[in-house]
Amino acid sequence: DQQVKQNSPSLSVQEGRISILNCDYTNSMFDYFLWYKKYPAEGPTFLISISSIKDKNEDGRFTVFLNKSAKHLSLHIVPSQPGDSAVYFCAASGGTSGTYKYIFGTGTRLKVLA
Amino acid sequence: GAGVSQSPSNKVTEKGKDVELRCDPISGHTALYWYRQSLGQGLEFLIYFQGNSAPDKSGLPSDRFSAERTGGSVSTLTIQRTQQEDSAVYLCASSNPSQGYEQYFGPGTRLTVT
Repeated sequence: DQQVKQNSPSLSVQEGRISILNCDYTNSMFDYFLWYKKYPAEGPTFLISISSIKDKNEDGRFTVFLNKSAKHLSLHIVPSQPGDSAVYFCAASGGTSGTYKYIFGTGTRLKVLA
Repeated sequence: GAGVSQSPSNKVTEKGKDVELRCDPISGHTALYWYRQSLGQGLEFLIYFQGNSAPDKSGLPSDRFSAERTGGSVSTLTIQRTQQEDSAVYLCASSNPSQGYEQYFGPGTRLTVT
């Protein structure tokens, strides 16, 4: 039972264009969502988060949108840069999983083409 | 400051042997997590320690897996009688819940069971 799903295993985008990474969840009790970026042979690094009381959070080139009714969140990167090429994971917490227990998606590999 | 460190970075072991993986969290972080990432999969939650509370072991896949955290700092994940399906990258993360939800990950230990 996969509670957090990233249905696109990979995505290729031209440099300068927008990258949109999607994440769907099934547990309506989730109330906090995070995005992590992972380079090969390194641990994931935190990118941006959003609480369920918001529908948008921005940090520089990164914006996360949350649609609670659709149980869907997305990460927008604009403009995309070659250094953004990595695997992106979304994670969710809250509800019966507990505040500090995170459920991760399977990741989307982003490739930004120069 | 120093991040989360893990040792060894790589471990090759024969099926049936026991292995110990070590995690040094960020100083002052009261929460510590172990995850496993198998090839092509997302991050699978294994265990969570928070301060002096009883750990959440709900993600440990079998009784061959155990973990301890001594003195609220260093943690060791032990896998007894390793099997080939235990081959994965084992990631440790720490966080300070009073300062936010973000987890800080170590680089991982790549375990290969032959």
